Amino acid sequence: DAKTTQPPSMDCAEGRAANLPCNHSTISGNEYVYWYRQIHSQGPQYIIHGLKNNETNEMASLIITEDRKSSTLILPHATLRDTAVYYCIVRDRLLNSGSARQLTFGSGTQLTVLP
Amino acid sequence: DTAVSQTPKYLVTQMGNDKSIKCEQNLGHDTMYWYKQDSKKFLKIMFSYNNKELIINETVPNRFSPKSPDKAHLNLHINSLELGDSAVYFCASSQTSGNTQYFGPGTRLTVL
Repeated sequence: DAKTTQPPSMDCAEGRAANLPCNHSTISGNEYVYWYRQIHSQGPQYIIHGLKNNETNEMASLIITEDRKSSTLILPHATLRDTAVYYCIVRDRLLNSGSARQLTFGSGTQLTVLP
Repeated sequence: DTAVSQTPKYLVTQMGNDKSIKCEQNLGHDTMYWYKQDSKKFLKIMFSYNNKELIINETVPNRFSPKSPDKAHLNLHINSLELGDSAVYFCASSQTSGNTQYFGPGTRLTVL
């Protein structure tokens, strides 16, 4: 799996957009970008994923650059409850031998939403 | 309804004991996982399992063993507990055809 690089921490004012960057310069053509987050003392939570087109769901938007070497997760109106560690993970969408493959979590970005 | 549940939430035990953590998912998924999150907050895969295949992270000691009585359950048995086993253990599940994993709330294991 491609390695990802994220800033260790970021702050964002409540109500403003939080833009979390991720570099994945060695990503290959069949690898997707996934985002998870972990709120303190809880299990990781899936947010969104994409291949090359921008994606949006009820939680966030994912912007992937044209060369796919980086992406940005956007929380459009951050709230205090969005304070969490955000993980960017690059994974092969297709599975080998019918068996599921594991997610490899890096150190992520600690997002702190400030009142 | 809780999608992925784990019991117990907290587990405090003595070194050398044998303990189990239970995991259940009601999502109809056919693949389940165990992850370990240490004091430095790094989340590492331990096992992934479906009814066909067990994939073990080679760094996991053989004192740890997953047991799956059925597709909805994957329990984690730990023998001869050591101080270094203290961590938060997360169970997760997914469909083999997708990578979206759903995690349980975690079990905080403390070995004294």
